[in-house]
Amino acid sequence: QSALTQPASVSGSPGQSITISCTGTSSDVGNYNVVSWYQQHPGTAPKLMIYEVSKRPSGVSNRFSGSKSGNTASLTILGLQAEDEADYYCCSYRGRDASVVFGGGTKLTVL
Amino acid sequence: QVQLLQSGAEVKKPGASVKVSCKASGYTFARYYLYWVRQAPGQGLEWMGLINTRGGGANVPQKFEDRVTMTSDTSTSTVFLEVSSLRSEDTAVYYCARGQNPNMAVTGDYDYWGQGTPVTVSS
Repeated sequence: QSALTQPASVSGSPGQSITISCTGTSSDVGNYNVVSWYQQHPGTAPKLMIYEVSKRPSGVSNRFSGSKSGNTASLTILGLQAEDEADYYCCSYRGRDASVVFGGGTKLTVL
Repeated sequence: QVQLLQSGAEVKKPGASVKVSCKASGYTFARYYLYWVRQAPGQGLEWMGLINTRGGGANVPQKFEDRVTMTSDTSTSTVFLEVSSLRSEDTAVYYCARGQNPNMAVTGDYDYWGQGTPVTVSS
């Protein structure tokens, strides 16, 4: 069982928008702005899409955005494209033991 | 360009040890922390800890601290992950990754990843 809770799957049609949630506790997501999101296509290494809750690395499309409210972080993808179909993982610093925890992952299907 | 090149696939028997390497290039090795993350087949990502490439110290979560050793060789810009007393649950792809903020040790922000090293534990 993962420390952070994500929906197992989400789906949307091309052009639509989707949001993936990531729920933690006050020991991780709720009290630290060290939340990141990764995209992983089958057979490849994860790719950093969002860091420090809402910052985008250079080269990542501005269709991807991140936010946080309380113990829940969210990843929003605007204007879905076929290439967005992948697994998405959230990640947070956890203060009680100075470690890093991941969500269980969300499979995004572009219909 | 920044690259993290990992060693090849391994097959080990239960109870054995495995040592995976990750050779960094394209940047100043000792400036950034390096991390290890594993992924069991069909499962999510799991954080295994970090290595301080400046001083060689490691930070390993309690779950792994009695079986995992992380080391660093600045002369070859390479870090190593050794896992001992292997069991079937250790079957996974092991990734090394670079922390994008050189001033932050414990973080989940990794901008470059190795290609992954599959480790299979089977009798």
